[in-house]
Amino acid sequence: SQQGEEDPQALSIQEGENATMNCSYKTSINNLQWYRQNSGRGLVHLILIRSNEREKHSGRLRVTLDTSKKSSSLLITASRAADTASYFCATDDDYKLSFGAGTTVTVRA
Amino acid sequence: EAQVTQNPRYLITVTGKKLTVTCSQNMNHEYMSWYRQDPGLGLRQIYYSMNVEVTDKGDVPEGYKVSRKEKRNFPLILESPSPNQTSLYFCASSLNGEQYFGPGTRLTVT
Repeated sequence: SQQGEEDPQALSIQEGENATMNCSYKTSINNLQWYRQNSGRGLVHLILIRSNEREKHSGRLRVTLDTSKKSSSLLITASRAADTASYFCATDDDYKLSFGAGTTVTVRA
Repeated sequence: EAQVTQNPRYLITVTGKKLTVTCSQNMNHEYMSWYRQDPGLGLRQIYYSMNVEVTDKGDVPEGYKVSRKEKRNFPLILESPSPNQTSLYFCASSLNGEQYFGPGTRLTVT
């Protein structure tokens, strides 16, 4: 079953702007991860946040997790053309990984 | 170079003709998994394996088989492929939750 759901489905921003996308999930989790996929390629791991963490940073990425609301957000600051990709959240529940349908981000030069 | 490899990368086949997609990782990861990706549905887990000789069903296992006879390899077997198995397939391996994905296999079943 599809656990995570990303919102919005698509996002178009100007280079230099911030991009924010959200993920909601249904059941309790061990951790939540975000991945990036460039068109038709394999997914690349961006960041993992554990259920007892509330916020995590990695370079221009900031992820928050609110387990009471069963939601997470991914913020990309100062976006670049190379950030154009699809972004997926994935929830990890006892080694079964469930992905959402993704948010497609387009960064305009 | 640490990587997950899949073969073939592209495959067109006919209904009912058995096929195997191979997956190999060189990172000594215990956990491996197969996913299929379809437009609008994201990735759905087919099977996963916690270690050698240990496999378990994911969300969409019907029509697929896997085996894990050695740590580095995790082949996906379609005994009798059908058109609804036309999809983009990804293999992944993991050490501490972070998944490393292969480049994908685009399968078309006519």
